[in-house]
Amino acid sequence: QSALTQPASVSGSPGQSITISCTGTSSDFGGDNYISWYKQYPGTAPKVVIYDVNKRPSGVSNRFSGSKSGNTASLTISGLQAEDEADYYCSSRRLFGGGTKLTVL
Amino acid sequence: EVQLVESGGGLVQPGGSLRLSCAASGFSFSPYWMSWVRQAPGKGLEWVATIQGDGSESYYVDSVNRRFTISRDNAKNSLYLQMDSLRAEDTAVYYCAREDWYRFDSWGQGTLVTVSS
Repeated sequence: QSALTQPASVSGSPGQSITISCTGTSSDFGGDNYISWYKQYPGTAPKVVIYDVNKRPSGVSNRFSGSKSGNTASLTISGLQAEDEADYYCSSRRLFGGGTKLTVL
Repeated sequence: EVQLVESGGGLVQPGGSLRLSCAASGFSFSPYWMSWVRQAPGKGLEWVATIQGDGSESYYVDSVNRRFTISRDNAKNSLYLQMDSLRAEDTAVYYCAREDWYRFDSWGQGTLVTVSS
């Protein structure tokens, strides 16, 4: 299986909202809702910020939200902050996306 | 607090073997599925292998199937990855991760494996 498709990079200014897309085939997404999103700072381990398409783990800011439509999942970060600058990865079951570098301008 | 601590990484020649370990603490280890996820230098995440809580079943990405073996010792709260016939493309940071319904909800700090002559 090939990795899920994510944009290589996105950017936004503080306070703005950004959306990162994650596209796969119908078999990649399997018709279930096991979609997760991970945030990773350079040189550190990833951390889950969204799971089951749109659920937030305890301690994750409500500025993070997830959705899915057809074969595309999306991560939206509202009220962008400097600390949001990181790499973001989607996953469907155990298949990861290629990652998106978020730059806060 | 959940803690996962990997060890065993290092430099190995192509064709060689290496065994990674992951020591788990802060949670009841045996019920959880556990996984290894790797990240090549400057690249994205790649799932490598997963093992059920009782160790009865395991799953692998095609590229490591029959070369890598995932195992666990629930009495020692430990997860292992035996890596044989290593290739240059196996060079990566290997993370131990707790898996809960396809969500990797806790990660170790990672251990670097470098395959080079």
